[in-house]
Amino acid sequence: SQTIHQWPATLVQPVGSPLSLECTVEGTSNPNLYWYRQAAGRGLQLLFYSVGIGQISSEVPQNLSASRPQDRQFILSSKKLLLSDSGFYLCAWSGAHGEQYFGPGTRLTVT
Amino acid sequence: AQSVTQLDSHVSVSEGTPVLLRCNYSSSYSPSLFWYVQHPNKGLQLLLKYTSAATLVKGINGFEAEFKKSETSFHLTKPSAHMSDAAEYFCVVGRAGGTSYGKLTFGQGTILTVHP
Repeated sequence: SQTIHQWPATLVQPVGSPLSLECTVEGTSNPNLYWYRQAAGRGLQLLFYSVGIGQISSEVPQNLSASRPQDRQFILSSKKLLLSDSGFYLCAWSGAHGEQYFGPGTRLTVT
Repeated sequence: AQSVTQLDSHVSVSEGTPVLLRCNYSSSYSPSLFWYVQHPNKGLQLLLKYTSAATLVKGINGFEAEFKKSETSFHLTKPSAHMSDAAEYFCVVGRAGGTSYGKLTFGQGTILTVHP
């Protein structure tokens, strides 16, 4: 069966510091992968999606970036965090009918 | 284009009573529809999915939903609420029969409270 991992689970970072969040999927090949952010009271916002290694599509212009160095690895990064980057970050992969399966999430607090 | 509206931001029920969470959708295509549940500080869990097969869809934990094309609705129901059902629920629309990398559109969520 397929599983999806995210780490770290929680992170507290100062403004201006770099960020790296990692997502890995097991049990499937060439998955389509997604990064979402969930801010308090604002629902889910799609940030990036990827249909293959090195292929990244950005949905929202911002100071975040994503990379997919391996088939089942998806990384979310920032060079300099802003206060507004705080939130709950979720990684997901999509199944055969377009449904998405989510990881456990990373709670990021920028101070 | 597609959109989804969850008609109630909060629903409160007593344990053992029925649950109804309402969802209307709009889509230029034949839709795929999903319900997800999210417990605090957890990822979203897929409850059930409609993908152009049977209009009454059964999911996990006793939940079910009925696709009504004429009403553009996909309401989530459960005959008897349990305390563990307290969570936030998201109605989600995608594009049926499309590629598996189709984007999903999420509703704003309904918070379900279950009283003992």
